[in-house]
Amino acid sequence: RKEVEQDPGPFNVPEGATVAFNCTYSNSASQSFFWYRQDCRKEPKLLMSVYSSGNEDGRFTAQLNRASQYISLLIRDSKLSDSATYLCVVNMRNSGYSTLTFGKGTMLLVSP
Amino acid sequence: ETGVTQSPTHLIKTRGQQVTLRCSSQSGHNTVSWYQQALGQGPQFIFQYYREEENGRGNFPPRFSGLQFPNYSSELNVNALELDDSALYLCASSRGGEQYFGPGTRLTVT
Repeated sequence: RKEVEQDPGPFNVPEGATVAFNCTYSNSASQSFFWYRQDCRKEPKLLMSVYSSGNEDGRFTAQLNRASQYISLLIRDSKLSDSATYLCVVNMRNSGYSTLTFGKGTMLLVSP
Repeated sequence: ETGVTQSPTHLIKTRGQQVTLRCSSQSGHNTVSWYQQALGQGPQFIFQYYREEENGRGNFPPRFSGLQFPNYSSELNVNALELDDSALYLCASSRGGEQYFGPGTRLTVT
């Protein structure tokens, strides 16, 4: 089983649609959780952190369920500029260092 | 911009050759992590350097090695290149918190 698994893509949606991405992680010792956005041939950039209480940033809402080891990202009112690959990321602390473990990513294509 | 720079941006090498990739950290960041991102995959952790010492390593063979310098810049060295080493190599700097990624070096091995 992969450490971080995401919905296979791509997701093709029209502008204005609501889209949800799902992610599961296998290691219950994982400590912190993130969604990163990666544009084509660019580096990943932090979109938002994910907390158990849920958090919202404008049109983006992230949720974490530690019991189910499940993370989600909801994008409302999709814009053309939201087209990108969304990476689910888990941060684990090992002995003396922490590492980011990335999912494979889910591509989102927003069309006019 | 994150303030993390990498060089070169693109590189083409032949199987069996050696390559060195470079990363300059964001000012004040004492930790550098390196990742390999193959086409269609998420980044995979290679190793991490903290204050010039390797303090963590992912599932990569010893031909992947690194260095960190007193100014916290870093190098990734790969010996005996294989075709499967073709990927985007990302470095990320941090100071105990969020990791900031550089733009990456795209390595093609032919």
